[in-house]
Amino acid sequence: QKEVEQNSGPLSVPEGAIASLNCTYSDRGSQSFFWYRQYSGKSPELIMSIYSNGDKEDGRFTAQLNKASQYVSLLIRDSQPSDSATYLCAVSPNTGFQKLVFGTGTRLLVSP
Amino acid sequence: EADIYQTPRYLVIGTGKKITLECSQTMGHDKMYWYQQDPGMELHLIHYSYGVNSTEKGDLSSESTVSRIRTEHFPLTLESARPSHTSQYLCASNPGTSGNTDTQYFGPGTRLTVL
Repeated sequence: QKEVEQNSGPLSVPEGAIASLNCTYSDRGSQSFFWYRQYSGKSPELIMSIYSNGDKEDGRFTAQLNKASQYVSLLIRDSQPSDSATYLCAVSPNTGFQKLVFGTGTRLLVSP
Repeated sequence: EADIYQTPRYLVIGTGKKITLECSQTMGHDKMYWYQQDPGMELHLIHYSYGVNSTEKGDLSSESTVSRIRTEHFPLTLESARPSHTSQYLCASNPGTSGNTDTQYFGPGTRLTVL
């Protein structure tokens, strides 16, 4: 079992719709969770971080964390074609050092 | 947010050459990282550093080496490049401040092609 699992996609949504991206992790002691966006050929760009159970909203983005279910998700409201990218979930396992474990990413396609 | 610089951005080189990929950051971050990423694949941690004179190997075995003589500088060296080293190399740093200790910010990457 991979430490961080994501559906590779692609996830196709029409412009204006809500895109829902999901991620599960195996280390129950994980404390920090991140969503990165990566355009093709570019480096990952931090979108959101979340540390406690519940929802965290930032503009069109909402991160949701459920530690009991070891599940973190990212909702993108009013999806735009410019949101088309690969979204990486990253988790900081309970190792005592600030190391991130990345999922393989979910490719999102937003059609006009 | 961190200012992280990587040079060169693109490098095409022949087999057997020694190369050094540069990474520097201007924010005084103690923790720095090198990742390797093949197209469409996940990031793999190959090296990291807690601070000056500290280097550790990551989860993915790599023939590269790193050094950390100055806080702002974390170069990666391949003594003898091979086609299997063709990949994108991403450098990242971590501010390590209270309440935000795990966030990593990435540089633009170096795309290496070994012929």
